[in-house]
Amino acid sequence: AQTVTQSQPEMSVQEAETVTLSCTYDTSESDYYLFWYKQPPSRQMILVIRQEAYKQQNATENRFSVNFQKAAKSFSLKISDSQLGDAAMYFCAYRMQYGNKLVFGAGTILRVKS
Amino acid sequence: NAGVMQNPRHLVRRRGQEARLRCSPMKGHSHVYWYRQLPEEGLKFMVYLQKENIIDESGMPKERFSAEFPKEGPSILRIQQVVRGDSAAYFCASSLSTVNTEAFFGQGTRLTVV
Repeated sequence: AQTVTQSQPEMSVQEAETVTLSCTYDTSESDYYLFWYKQPPSRQMILVIRQEAYKQQNATENRFSVNFQKAAKSFSLKISDSQLGDAAMYFCAYRMQYGNKLVFGAGTILRVKS
Repeated sequence: NAGVMQNPRHLVRRRGQEARLRCSPMKGHSHVYWYRQLPEEGLKFMVYLQKENIIDESGMPKERFSAEFPKEGPSILRIQQVVRGDSAAYFCASSLSTVNTEAFFGQGTRLTVV
């Protein structure tokens, strides 16, 4: 069975600085998808970024980028120029190539200091 | 195009009562997924349904929990004889298909059992 591990229960970053959230996963599949979701206090699950395992290039969405290391089964999220609105719970998630069943990590609370 | 709609947003039930959680998928989406988020934890997959069919219920507790997605109307997650341990946020997600498409989440229903 696939598992996703987020080893940082909580992280803090100063406004305008950069922070990296860690995620590792375990799977025997070769093709799959990885995601980072943001969950603010409103509870809405917001997709931040996604990565297809067959793509070597790391995904980027504005201030958000990932470091995808397939051999190491590592998928970290880098947030540049952190903003107060980035404060939330962040979940790393895995999905097989077919199907939309997501396996989530336990989450990392990100606090942004002004 | 309205997003995934879940209602109610908050539901309070006494121990032993029944809880019914509703999920209307995005227009055109025929795949629905239910997840449960216990306090301070990530989302855990419960069940995947396609119109009128349960495709994967590997995450559903064996007793008291059931789900349906009728031909007409919303998907329903039903919890009979609720206990305090059922208190959680229940999320629904929907997708257009299962190949290379995103699952979009509703805002969740927070169930409190008193």
